[in-house]
Amino acid sequence: SAVISQKPSRDICQRGTSLTIQCQVDSQVTMMFWYRQQPGQSLTLIATANQGSEATYESGFVIDKFPISRPNLTFSTLTVSNMSPEDSSIYLCSAERAGRGFGTDTQYFGPGTRLTVL
Amino acid sequence: QQQVKQSPQSLIVQKGGISIINCAYENTAFDYFPWYQQFPGKGPALLIAIRPDVSEKKEGRFTISFNKSAKQFSLHIMESQPGDSATYFCAASGGSSGAGSYQLTFGKGTKLSVIP
Repeated sequence: SAVISQKPSRDICQRGTSLTIQCQVDSQVTMMFWYRQQPGQSLTLIATANQGSEATYESGFVIDKFPISRPNLTFSTLTVSNMSPEDSSIYLCSAERAGRGFGTDTQYFGPGTRLTVL
Repeated sequence: QQQVKQSPQSLIVQKGGISIINCAYENTAFDYFPWYQQFPGKGPALLIAIRPDVSEKKEGRFTISFNKSAKQFSLHIMESQPGDSATYFCAASGGSSGAGSYQLTFGKGTKLSVIP
């Protein structure tokens, strides 16, 4: 398994500002993902972040709004830019090693960052 | 288009009873079906997963039943306990090479309440 930590765990931000969320994995992983989860709702994939390449964004999410960095195999950041109240949500990162050894390589999630935008 | 449909949305079970959550998928290329358990304020935690080459997988009180022809899979929680009260998500992935094959498509979740 992989242990994933996120910083900050929660934040309250003002409209128009930006917040960078950090995701740290305790082992090297190939794939990292960023999700958004509204309270009481399911998870929506924002983007896939692979080391050494540009992040791949899902429909409805753009790099200007959610820039992502992936400088090495254990770390990634997601920035929520020019925030509005609609960005209030829980942001989760996850990680998976490539090479789908069943039972050993799967997607593990961080604890999430609860963001409130006023 | 929702590719993984999960039901019920909420479930109340007596302690000691069996909790059953169902999911159906549309993409026949999916080849990996995990279930995640999420407690309030926590990230989802992998509970159990199955591939379509088997029809059932059991780990302790948790069992996945898989019906490839019907494109359905379900989670059974035997002897449900109050500590099992959480939100459960089914998911599916696979079907292509590259980054897309690892992306999980989640169901909408089931809030399970186990009452003493």
